Amino acid sequence: ETGVTQTPRHLVMGMTNKKSLKCEQHLGHNAMYWYKQSAKKPLELMFVYNFKEQTENNSVPSRFSPECPNSSHLFLHLHTLQPEDSALYLCASSQRLGTDTQYFGPGTRLTVL
Amino acid sequence: GNSVTQMEGPVTLSEEAFLTINCTYTATGYPSLFWYVQYPGEGLQLLLKATKADDKGSNKGFEATYRKETTSFHLEKGSVQVSDSAVYFCALSLSNFGNEKLTFGTGTRLTIIP
Repeated sequence: ETGVTQTPRHLVMGMTNKKSLKCEQHLGHNAMYWYKQSAKKPLELMFVYNFKEQTENNSVPSRFSPECPNSSHLFLHLHTLQPEDSALYLCASSQRLGTDTQYFGPGTRLTVL
Repeated sequence: GNSVTQMEGPVTLSEEAFLTINCTYTATGYPSLFWYVQYPGEGLQLLLKATKADDKGSNKGFEATYRKETTSFHLEKGSVQVSDSAVYFCALSLSNFGNEKLTFGTGTRLTIIP
């Protein structure tokens, strides 16, 4: 049990759908992250939030829209996705930004048809 | 820019074999180095880390030594078990005026057969 939960665990959506991924951390951390994990590619950092404020957007297309209403919750809103967006989306949190250990959730396996 | 290069997998070993997974890095400063492990169906977990040159990180029988002269952080274990089957990621984090982030390698899939 890592203290970081993600829902749903699996999601299949069409290119015209709108869906949201949810992440919740129960660790009292201040920084939260979204990563994309695709086959045979390095883990890609997408967004970073520190104390609810976005500190990094790693050139992510606007069809991915993050939201961080408080330090414990992080959402990733999805709309008009492409098949190449199919991947495992991982959420992580850490006490502080930087070299602190990041704790990962189990991920949401997304398939875009 | 910063990058991490890991040996390509998959790696298949017999139980009780010696394991080495190579990792080298490129960084513009003095990074902290990490090994994360991802078991099937789960997210990544920190396995071990080292924050300065010559430090050795260790956990669950795994070890890795921060070698500045060879820019390496190879993961080793003397006797692997079936339960060690997972994907292993080498990563670095470099201080950048408060904008630190992890840079990961591509991962190495390890399978241990009984």
